[in-house]
Amino acid sequence: GNSVTQMEGPVTLSEEAFLTINCTYTATGYPSLFWYVQYPGEGLQLLLKATKADDKGSNKGFEATYRKETTSFHLEKGSVQVSDSAVYFCALDNYGQNFVFGPGTRLSVLP
Amino acid sequence: DVKVTQSSRYLVKRTGEKVFLECVQDMDHENMFWYRQDPGLGLRLIYFSYDVKMKEKGDIPEGYSVSREKKERFSLILESASTNQTSMYLCASSSLAGVRTDTQYFGPGTRLTVL
Repeated sequence: GNSVTQMEGPVTLSEEAFLTINCTYTATGYPSLFWYVQYPGEGLQLLLKATKADDKGSNKGFEATYRKETTSFHLEKGSVQVSDSAVYFCALDNYGQNFVFGPGTRLSVLP
Repeated sequence: DVKVTQSSRYLVKRTGEKVFLECVQDMDHENMFWYRQDPGLGLRLIYFSYDVKMKEKGDIPEGYSVSREKKERFSLILESASTNQTSMYLCASSSLAGVRTDTQYFGPGTRLTVL
C-alpha cells in the first residue's frame, strides 16, 4: 500500500538557519506529492506540490524536489523565520486511491 | 480564495451523545473529506464524498457516518460518542470530481472532547 515517512521532530532552529525536513514515500506508479503546513490553531494549508518526477515545488522560500529514484520529497528552506514555526505534513496522492499523510513534523524557530 | 468552514472550533460532549459536525465549502467543489488528526498518527481519512448523496468509507469509518444532502455541505455524525473519539476533526474539499490528485483545501478544524 501507499505510505509516507517523515522525521517527527520536534525540530528546533535559530532564526536564519537552514531547514531540511525529510520525507520518503512508498507507492506504486506515479503519485503526486505535497507539503502542507498547519499553523497553531488552524487547519492545514497547501505549501507546495509536485506531480511528476524531477518537478520542483516552491512557495514562500520553501522548496521540494520529487526524486523518484530515492522516493523522496524533502522540504528545504535556506533561512527560516520565527513565523515559520508550525507543523509540516508530507502527503501523497496516488490516482484512484486515498490521500496519505505523514505524521507531521513540528518546527520551532527561536529568535 | 477557497473557504472551508466548520460549525464549531471546540466541542465538548458526553459519552453516548449523538454528535453532528458540519462542514461547508464555497467553491462548488465536488469532493469533500473528513479526517481525524491525532498526535503521532497524522491525518486519517474517515469518509469522503464525490457528489451529493454519495459517500465512501475511508480508512477508519467505524463509529462514524456522514451525510451530503447538498453539494456545499458535508456532515460527520457520531451516532454514540465514545471517549476514543476525542480528537481534532478536519474537513477538506477539492475539485475534479472522481479524481483525487487535486489539492485539498482544509477547514480550521473542530477539537472534540468526549467525557
